[in-house]
Amino acid sequence: SQQGEEDPQALSIQEGENATMNCSYKTSINNLQWYRQNSGRGLVHLILIRSNEREKHSGRLRVTLDTSKKSSSLLITASRAADTASYFCATGGGTDSGGGADGLTFGKGTHLIIQP
Amino acid sequence: KAGVTQTPRYLIKTRGQQVTLSCSPISGHRSVSWYQQTPGQGLQFLFEYFSETQRNKGNFPGRFSGRQFSNSRSEMNVSTLELGDSALYLCASSLGPSGGYGYTFGSGTRLTVV
Repeated sequence: SQQGEEDPQALSIQEGENATMNCSYKTSINNLQWYRQNSGRGLVHLILIRSNEREKHSGRLRVTLDTSKKSSSLLITASRAADTASYFCATGGGTDSGGGADGLTFGKGTHLIIQP
Repeated sequence: KAGVTQTPRYLIKTRGQQVTLSCSPISGHRSVSWYQQTPGQGLQFLFEYFSETQRNKGNFPGRFSGRQFSNSRSEMNVSTLELGDSALYLCASSLGPSGGYGYTFGSGTRLTVV
């Protein structure tokens, strides 16, 4: 069963605009991770946010986590053509010391297209 | 620092055959996980190995198996291939078990069963 569900399924914006993707999940988590995938290649780890964190930044990426609503959002600012990809949220990871033995559960992803 | 290396990149097999896929994790990473990605089911967890021990297995039939060697390299094997096994198989490595630090993925092996 899908733990994380991304919304929207697809998003097309102009280069330079901001892109926001949302993720909802069902059970309690240790952390939530966001990944990017280009054209059926491997996934690239973007950000890991722990359950006791509310916001995290990495370059043009900003991730928020609301554990009371079981939701997270990924914001990409000043988008570029190279940001065109599918973005996945994943739950099920453990803590630094272990746990999470069931592997990551991914949503279906948001397909982001940046129009030049 | 070399990334996660998966071989081969592409593979075409016939129904009923078996296949072995290989994954070399990032140096120093002791956890290796495998995922299957299909258009219909998305990304699904197959199994995770840490220090040569399988920690858990996803909801896949016994035809799917794996192992990890003492140098942390991992292989997964699929026996009696079915058309539905056609997928992108992704390997991911992590410093510790269960991805508490996040995973680094390889580029995948695209398996086509005909």
